[in-house]
Amino acid sequence: QITLKESGPTLVKPTQTLTLTCTFSGFSLSTSGVAVGWIRQPPGKALECLALIYGNDAKVYRSSLKSRLSITKDTSKNLVALTMTILDPGDTATYYCAHVEMTTKAAFDYWGQGTLVTVSS
Amino acid sequence: SSELTQDPAVSVALGQTVRITCQGDSLRSYYASWYQQKPGQAPILVIYGQNTRPSGIPDRFSGSSSGNTASLTITGAQAEDEADYYCISRDNSGNPVLFGGGTKLTVL
Repeated sequence: QITLKESGPTLVKPTQTLTLTCTFSGFSLSTSGVAVGWIRQPPGKALECLALIYGNDAKVYRSSLKSRLSITKDTSKNLVALTMTILDPGDTATYYCAHVEMTTKAAFDYWGQGTLVTVSS
Repeated sequence: SSELTQDPAVSVALGQTVRITCQGDSLRSYYASWYQQKPGQAPILVIYGQNTRPSGIPDRFSGSSSGNTASLTITGAQAEDEADYYCISRDNSGNPVLFGGGTKLTVL
């Protein structure tokens, strides 16, 4: 059974750096074709994918945010971390991590419950 | 603005059929996947690939694609299908994936 869970601060001040952690079980992130993604959803708005990291350590970032994002993995600890710099109130959102089986599904088939991050002074 | 285009809202009478569409150039190359999201909950995958339902998704949900348009059809909509629906596709232009703006489905 695949599960994912996000953790991190719930309140961050503008200009600060946010680090979120996704802890997962039920799969290995060293398997070819498997990836973990970070997706966010501002209150009342649509979903947007921020970054993906593959088992071979390939990384893909949302073009408009690339300079502010970093995604890393620790395969031995089954976790993926997302760092976002220079936070702005517009970054207030629920942040989800999700499992992707890119080879056969190319879809986010398992999601964490999400964590709400508020950016405010 | 969203990278894939969806109608913001659609309504359907209980038991009737509704089609939710998603348009974008990437859909000429890649299949869309579809997600259902209810208030306060994480999205759930309902359709992926050409027309595959994950385990546990009712067979009233189906997917199709033609040209630059992907569609999610609910045949015999139920009250519990009232939710936001999002489409996603892969992207050739450097982004991880492309998201639609979401369609709010109301079951009357």
